[in-house]
Amino acid sequence: EAGVTQFPSHSVIEKGQTVTLRCDPISGHDNLYWYRRVMGKEIKFLLHFVKESKQDESGMPNNRFLAERTGGTYSTLKVQPAELEDSGVYFCASRLGRNSYEQYFGPGTRLTVT
Amino acid sequence: SQKIEQNSEALNIQEGKTATLTCNYTNYSPAYLQWYRQDPGRGPVFLLLIRENEKEKRKERLKVTFDTTLKQSLFHITASQPADSATYLCALPPRDGGYNKLIFGAGTRLAVHP
Repeated sequence: EAGVTQFPSHSVIEKGQTVTLRCDPISGHDNLYWYRRVMGKEIKFLLHFVKESKQDESGMPNNRFLAERTGGTYSTLKVQPAELEDSGVYFCASRLGRNSYEQYFGPGTRLTVT
Repeated sequence: SQKIEQNSEALNIQEGKTATLTCNYTNYSPAYLQWYRQDPGRGPVFLLLIRENEKEKRKERLKVTFDTTLKQSLFHITASQPADSATYLCALPPRDGGYNKLIFGAGTRLAVHP
């Protein structure tokens, strides 16, 4: 069974540019989460999809961040325009369903905004 | 607000000894608690989940305890090996429960020396 994959693994962009991160969850996992770790801090929740619907986006920092999960499969997280404080590692995780709690994480995308 | 505390200092132990990591939380009583392992450049990997009505959970060389009175979980690795060297993260569901986001501690780095 393939794990959660994320693309790209690393992105370096200038302040003001746009970046789109992609996450492919484990096939059949309805739940998809985005998390972020900024330098020296703990991993923090951004948002949660159930299939194609946003269940909880309370962790999204501001309206420069837009997440989508068209068709309930892969998800994208777009940052536009990027700011310096957006630098960090963005993790995607998926979870099977209601009676399973463990989340399977991807390797993360390291975003550097210069 | 909910807060999770893990020892920020690295834990250094000799191979073969038992490593014990601590997770303390405040301000609420979670229905369960999870432990994840994270290696450099990788995403967190689920290890164990313990529910509020369970005192102890074991998996191979791993043991987790959950003291809801002390609001503390202990994570033990017996007969530790250099391959156990990693950062270990404690994670809890939010106060409003459900199957949504996880709240992570900052993690404790474990180094097992030969």
